[in-house]
Amino acid sequence: GAGVSQSPRYKVAKRGQDVALRCDPISGHVSLFWYQQALGQGPEFLTYFQNEAQLDKSGLPSDRFFAERPEGSVSTLKIQRTQQEDSAVYLCASSSDRASGQPQHFGDGTRLSIL
Amino acid sequence: AQSVAQPEDQVNVAEGNPLTVKCTYSVSGNPYLFWYVQYPNRGLQFLLKYITGDNLVKGSYGFEAEFNKSQTSFHLKKPSALVSDSALYFCAVRVNYGGSQGNLIFGKGTKLSVKP
Repeated sequence: GAGVSQSPRYKVAKRGQDVALRCDPISGHVSLFWYQQALGQGPEFLTYFQNEAQLDKSGLPSDRFFAERPEGSVSTLKIQRTQQEDSAVYLCASSSDRASGQPQHFGDGTRLSIL
Repeated sequence: AQSVAQPEDQVNVAEGNPLTVKCTYSVSGNPYLFWYVQYPNRGLQFLLKYITGDNLVKGSYGFEAEFNKSQTSFHLKKPSALVSDSALYFCAVRVNYGGSQGNLIFGKGTKLSVKP
């Protein structure tokens, strides 16, 4: 597609459940990022992929968060044993090259609500 | 540590008047700076960036930003605001070193409200 696509747009889960969020980046984009945006805040970096390699996961808040991009295109962010503090909008972004300063292009996000 | 500050939570402007949304930054080395806009329930849309060159950068939808190295600022401007410009605006700086080089650090955002 023309832009970054994320699904589902909204997800409601009970505390303790596992969730999986999907990101389909712009075709050909090597770099893929996941961000977490809490209410009233700017996005905060979670993890970065270059093709299928996860090169930076310094922003993942706990070992309950796991991300993968097995074929270098679609990525999935998984949160295990969800907690209320996981409630946020999860944004995916892609770019042609992280190092060059090319802008990141964002999807519309998944709004996750943990009850 | 690298950081971005947006000192105003909200900016109110009358339609047709000029607008400015402020951003200051702290980086090691030369800054790569970005402005994004976010409409309700949408992702961030890229407006413009400063990498090098002219201090006045022109972007989408008539927006421009002025890079000021001495004041470490990168304020977003538009000569004549539209009601449709009402949205949340984020300033971001690129991480310049280490294993996170290339990632973006965002400010808290500034809500722009343009009244008819």
